Amino acid sequence: GAVVSQHPSRVICKSGTSVKIECRSLDFQATTMFWYRQFPKQSLMLMATSNEGSKATYEQGVEKDKFLINHASLTLSTLTVTSAHPEDSSFYICSGIRGFSTDTQYFGPGTRLTVL
Amino acid sequence: TQLLEQSPQFLSIQEGENLTVYCNSSSVFSSLQWYRQEPGEGPVLLVTVVTGGEVKKLKRLTFQFGDARKDSSLHITAAQTGDTGLYLCAGTIRNQGGKLIFGQGTELSVKP
Repeated sequence: GAVVSQHPSRVICKSGTSVKIECRSLDFQATTMFWYRQFPKQSLMLMATSNEGSKATYEQGVEKDKFLINHASLTLSTLTVTSAHPEDSSFYICSGIRGFSTDTQYFGPGTRLTVL
Repeated sequence: TQLLEQSPQFLSIQEGENLTVYCNSSSVFSSLQWYRQEPGEGPVLLVTVVTGGEVKKLKRLTFQFGDARKDSSLHITAAQTGDTGLYLCAGTIRNQGGKLIFGQGTELSVKP
């Protein structure tokens, strides 16, 4: 199978601090990774597309200076929520595409961020 | 805007009943996936359909992809309490780098 992990699974932080979330493809190389956020009982909302070695492409309405994405290797992408506020509290999920296949994304288990 | 309309958004049924979830769009999809998600976890892929008219079965779940590749359905026969969860359809469109377009999701509750 294709396994994606996320760390941490849960994080609680104070307002104004920054939080980094890691997304790793454990048994495959992910040339493209995606970051989503999800509110309770709602669907996934794509935040950005991350290609290894290049700048991320952000969806309309997503602040690139607030949600910093780095995809430095074929197995690791990070999302940093800068100067977090309570409204940033959400479930953040990443996914990866194996190699150059464009049809199947493999999802991580998600990270629950709570900003106090 | 490429939209994938999923319905119903909420469904509460008794164990043993059948149900169908629909996803419809005006766009043509190169593939369509169905996922199931439990609270606090990531989505788990159930099936991928890529051919117009394709039907796939996974035990009590039957997935169909429309002939024109614009719509899909998920049918569950004799639902069980373990089927409870959020069901998501998501499609890919050619030349969009694998980006998934998600439906709104269907929150299914199966009561004993």
